[in-house]
Amino acid sequence: AQSVTQPDIHITVSEGASLELRCNYSYGATPYLFWYVQSPGQGLQLLLKYFSGDTLVQGIKGFEAEFKRSQSSFNLRKPSVHWSDAAEYFCAVGAPGAQKLVFGQGTRLTINP
Amino acid sequence: DAGVIQSPRHEVTEMGQEVTLRCKPISGHNSLFWYRQTMMRGLELLIYFNNNVPIDDSGMPEDRFSAKMPNASFSTLKIQPSEPRDSAVYFCASSLWQNNQPQHFGDGTRLSIL
Repeated sequence: AQSVTQPDIHITVSEGASLELRCNYSYGATPYLFWYVQSPGQGLQLLLKYFSGDTLVQGIKGFEAEFKRSQSSFNLRKPSVHWSDAAEYFCAVGAPGAQKLVFGQGTRLTINP
Repeated sequence: DAGVIQSPRHEVTEMGQEVTLRCKPISGHNSLFWYRQTMMRGLELLIYFNNNVPIDDSGMPEDRFSAKMPNASFSTLKIQPSEPRDSAVYFCASSLWQNNQPQHFGDGTRLSIL
């Protein structure tokens, strides 16, 4: 069975600083990987996804993520954060061809002005 | 384009009452998912449907919970009788059942059982 670990429950960065949110997964083959963002009072919005091919994927809002098979990781990055990026971020893993996703516990991002 | 629509957005009721949450998926999507989100347990998949048929309900906590999808444009999640520990945010999501197409989430129903 798949599992996802987001080691950081809460991260605080200054506006304009770079960001990296960690995600580690457990799955026997190459999984499908997703990052979602949740703003307060709203549902989850897809930032980006990885299915195959280029291991560096670009998403919306200036985010990118890199799939590293050797480290079973799919970390999310942004070169310069904006105050509007404050939210909760979820990494999710799915098995190819399956519908179910397993979500991590989430990382809450706070932006200092 | 309309996204996933959930109603009500907020529900406050007393324990023992029946609660019905509603979801309208994105038109053309044929998979529908119900999730529950709490601080303690995070985001949990309760049940999902493909083409209106329940495929996996292993996440449904107990018999007090039931879900139906009578047609492609409507689903309900019912709790009867409700208990305070059912308090959570319940999300509905929909997707195309095709090569792990991403799930699109509604804004959720915040449920408080007193």
